[in-house]
Amino acid sequence: KQEVTQIPAALSVPEGENLVLNCSFTDSAIYNLQWFRQDPGKGLTSLLLIQSSQREQTSGRLNASLDKSSGRSTLYIAASQPGDSATYLCAVSRVDSNYQLIWGAGTKLIIKP
Amino acid sequence: DAGVIQSPRHEVTEMGQEVTLRCKPISGHDYLFWYRQTMMRGLELLIYFNNNVPIDDSGMPEDRFSAKMPNASFSTLKIQPSEPRDSAVYFCASSPPFNYEQYFGPGTRLTVT
Repeated sequence: KQEVTQIPAALSVPEGENLVLNCSFTDSAIYNLQWFRQDPGKGLTSLLLIQSSQREQTSGRLNASLDKSSGRSTLYIAASQPGDSATYLCAVSRVDSNYQLIWGAGTKLIIKP
Repeated sequence: DAGVIQSPRHEVTEMGQEVTLRCKPISGHDYLFWYRQTMMRGLELLIYFNNNVPIDDSGMPEDRFSAKMPNASFSTLKIQPSEPRDSAVYFCASSPPFNYEQYFGPGTRLTVT
C-alpha cells in the first residue's frame, strides 16, 4: 500500500532564505507526483506536476524534483517571501488509476518577515 | 473562468439530518472528484467521476454517503443521516481532459452537532 510522508510537519524560516520541502513515498510505481499549496480556510492550488518520466519541473521561484528509484521528491523555494506561508502537500498518483491521488499530510511553512 | 464552485461554504446541522453539498466543476473538465479533509485523516478521496459516470467510490465511508453527477456541470454529495464524525471540510475538484492537474473548489465546512 502506497504511503506518502512529508517531513517536517512544520517549518519556520526568515524571509529571503532558500528552503527545501521533502516528500517520500513507499512504492515507486507512480504515474505522476504533484505539489499543492493550501492557504488557511481555502482550497488547494496546484503548483507543479511531475510525470514519472521527468526529473524536475520549474515554475518561477519553485523547483520540484523527482527521484522515483529512491521514492523521494523535493520542492525548492528560492528567496522565500511572507506570501509563501501556507501548507504544502504532495500527492502521488497510482499507475493503475492515474487520477487517484494519495496524499501526504503536508508541511506547514511560515516565512517570518 | 470562475473556478470550481461549491455551496454552501459552511453548513451546521444536527445529527440525523440530511446534508447535501453541491459542486459546479470548471466548464470543459471531464473529471470530478469529491474529497474529505480532517485533521486526523488528512485528505481522503471519496469518489470520482469521468464524463458524469462514477469510476471509483471505494473511498465512500458508508452507505450514508451518496454522490451523483446528473450532468457535466453539477454534482452533489449527500449524507443521510449525518453524524458528528462526518464533521470535516469537503472539497470538490475537477480536471480537464488529458491533464492530470486537479483544480480545487474552496470547500464546504460541515459541522454536525
